[in-house]
Amino acid sequence: QSVLTQPPSVSGAPGQRVTISCTGGSSNIGAGYDVHWYRQLPGTAPKLLIYGKNNRPSGIPDRFSGSKSGTSASLAITGLQAEDEADYYCQSYDTSLSARVFGGGTKLTVL
Amino acid sequence: EAHLVESGGGLVQSGGSLRLSCVASGFTFNNYWMSWVRQAPGKGLEWVANIKHDGSEQYYVDSVKGRFTISRDNAKNSLSLQISSLRAGDTAVYYCVRDSGDYYLYKWFDPWGQGTLVTVSS
Repeated sequence: QSVLTQPPSVSGAPGQRVTISCTGGSSNIGAGYDVHWYRQLPGTAPKLLIYGKNNRPSGIPDRFSGSKSGTSASLAITGLQAEDEADYYCQSYDTSLSARVFGGGTKLTVL
Repeated sequence: EAHLVESGGGLVQSGGSLRLSCVASGFTFNNYWMSWVRQAPGKGLEWVANIKHDGSEQYYVDSVKGRFTISRDNAKNSLSLQISSLRAGDTAVYYCVRDSGDYYLYKWFDPWGQGTLVTVSS
């Protein structure tokens, strides 16, 4: 059971907009800690997608954006493309556990 | 460009030990906290341990405390994870990652190594 809760799967058609939620609590997201997002393509290591307050590393298109409100965060992907099909993970810090924590991951399927 | 390469994974019997290594390049290694993150087959990501840039502080997830030891050699740009008293639940790909960002509680992981697989057999 992950500290941060993500839906197991989401799907969308090419060109559509999808969002992936990441729900935490008062000891992590609700405490004000940043939420970061990673994308993992099949058979590869995760890669940073969004960090801090909605920042994108070099090479990540602005189709990807992050937001946070209260004890939850969201990753939005617009203009969905076939190559976006991957697993997505959120990550934050939990003060009760004194540990960096991840969500359980969300598998995005492009229909 | 920052780059991390792990080695040392393999098949080990339950109760056994293994030492994982990671070599860093492309950045000033001794300026950064470093972590190990693992991923069990078909499962999600779990932060395992991290170590301060000068090696003076180490932190672990509860499930590995007393069994895993993280260390670093800044002269060799290397990070290690000594894993012992291995259990089936430790079977995973272990990733070497750099803790990035200015503030400890707000750090993210970037970049990631390619990972090294540890398989614990009973």
